[in-house]
Amino acid sequence: DIQMNQSPSSLSASLGDTITITCHASQNINVWLSWYQQKPGNIPKLLIYKASNLHTGVPSRFSGSGSGTGFALTISSLQPEDIATYYCQQGQSYPSTFGGGTKLEIK
Amino acid sequence: QIQLVQSGPELKKPGETVRISCKASGYTFTNYGMNWVKQAPGKGLKWMGWINTYTGEPTYADDFKGRFALSLETSASTAFLQINNLKNEDMTTFFCARRNHYGGAYYALDYWGQGTSVTVSS
Repeated sequence: DIQMNQSPSSLSASLGDTITITCHASQNINVWLSWYQQKPGNIPKLLIYKASNLHTGVPSRFSGSGSGTGFALTISSLQPEDIATYYCQQGQSYPSTFGGGTKLEIK
Repeated sequence: QIQLVQSGPELKKPGETVRISCKASGYTFTNYGMNWVKQAPGKGLKWMGWINTYTGEPTYADDFKGRFALSLETSASTAFLQINNLKNEDMTTFFCARRNHYGGAYYALDYWGQGTSVTVSS
């Protein structure tokens, strides 16, 4: 199975900050990576697909980058509604696997 | 608008069977596969498997082979997850999620159900 390692596991930042979450795949997954946001008590929602493409309705302050084994999710100008746990997922090889999640809190 | 509506919370005893439904609306059901994802309380996401809504063929992750069964009622645009012989470790939330292909075999889960919690207690 492809292991997806996210870091950090938790992150505290101030409103207006720019933050970056990284995801490392144990094998080359090209650009076949997705990012999800799960707000407290809510369902996961797709943010980014194919490493860098924003899903419908996702604010442009979210961006994704990377290919191969290293990926990043960047949130610029952090807003209160960005408090959530973020997950990466590889969706090409069986079985699909998620990263362990990064919990984002506001200072 | 696209919606996936799951059945309500379940309270079951160990060894019993539970069947969770996921009703899709707002799109052609057979054009998109349906995935199932498990989330234990306070934990991360774990992919369980998916079902091809066109052919009805299910695929399971290794940890979910045996007691778990995915099925469809295509005429009702509904997917089902059945768990037999419930165990304490099944006490968790299960999500259905639509599988959308964005290139080749790659897919992302673009719409999710609201989740169904299963409590297993004697």
